Parts: sequence; C-alpha cells; structure tokens
Amino acid sequence: KQEVTQIPAALSVPEGENLVLNCSFTDSAIYNLQWFRQDPGKGLTSLLLIQSSQREQTSGRLNASLDKSSGRSTLYIAASQPGDSATYLCAVHDTDKLIFGTGTRLQVFP
Amino acid sequence: DAGVTQSPTHLIKTRGQQVTLRCSPKSGHDTVSWYQQALGQGPQFIFQYYEEEERQRGNFPDRFSGHQFPNYSSELNVNALLLGDSALYLCASSSLGQGGEKLFFGSGTQLSVL
Repeated sequence: KQEVTQIPAALSVPEGENLVLNCSFTDSAIYNLQWFRQDPGKGLTSLLLIQSSQREQTSGRLNASLDKSSGRSTLYIAASQPGDSATYLCAVHDTDKLIFGTGTRLQVFP
Repeated sequence: DAGVTQSPTHLIKTRGQQVTLRCSPKSGHDTVSWYQQALGQGPQFIFQYYEEEERQRGNFPDRFSGHQFPNYSSELNVNALLLGDSALYLCASSSLGQGGEKLFFGSGTQLSVL
C-alpha cells in the first residue's frame, strides 16, 4: 500500500530564505508526482508535475526533483516571500488516483 | 476558460440528513474524481467517474455515492450524515487515457455536520 510522508510538518522562516520541503513515498511504481499549494480553507493549486521518467521540473522560483529509486521528492523554493505562506502538499499518481501526504505548513514572515 | 467549479461553497447539515455536492470539470476534461479532506489532513480519494460510470473507488462506505452526467459534470451524494463527514470535499478533473495527466482541482465544498 502506497504511503506518502512529508517533513517537516510546519516551517516558519524569514523572508528571503531558500527552502527545501521533503516528500517520501513507499512504492516507487508511480506514474508521476505532483506538488500542490493550498491556502486555508481553499482548494488545491497545482505547482509542478514531474513525470516518472523525469528528474526535475522548474517554474519560476520553484524547483521540484524526483528520485524514484529512493522514493523521494523535494520542492525547492528560492528567495521565499510572505505570499508563499500556505500548506504545500505532494501527491503520487497511483493508477487513477492521487495519494497525498499530510502537507508542510509554511509561514514566511517579513 | 473556466476551471473546475464546485457548488455550493459551504453547507451545514445535521446528522442523518443527506447532501448533494456538484462539480463541473475543466473544459476538455472527461474524468471527475472526488476527494475528502479532513482538517489538518491530506485529501483522501473517494471515487472517480468516467463515461458516466464509477471507475475506481477508495475506502469509503456505500453512504457515499456519485453520478456523472453526459456533459461530464458530476454529483457526490452522502446519505445518513455523520459528524465525521465534516470536511472539505474537493473535485478534480482530468483527461483519461493520457497516463499521468495533471489533475486540476476546484475550490471545494466545506461541509459541516452538526
């Protein structure tokens, strides 16, 4: 049974820091891995999708990497801003459904 | 181009009642999935609909049922509501058959059961 874990559960940093959020999964047989952002009480915004054949994806200040053999993905956020404050969720695509971690709650203070 | 739309945004019910939530997928998408997100948790897969049939189901009781219409929109029905059904219900759309297609989520329906 696929399990997804995210650490840390919460993170509070000053503006301008570079951040690394971690995601691990137990079964390497995945189609892809997707990172989402969720603001309190809101839906999910897709940030990056990494296909199983890819190693990383980049969008602006965000970079996500995938290492299937070790069951790990990282989301790197460069030069963090207060507007980045949110919960970040990773999810592995298991056949026709997504299996989510419990998220990392990020607070960036000025 | 409208994204995934869900209605209503908020709903308050009492135990034992029934509720229906609605979802319209992103234009061009034919597959709708429903997820339940309890407070402080990641979303949990409920089921997926394609061609008006349930393709796959998560570990949810039969009180949770759904429907997909010819225009690809979908409904989630929950009968005999329990306090534990209080959660954010998320709808996601995608295009089946493209293996690893990105899922797009709606803003969710916040259900409170009193």
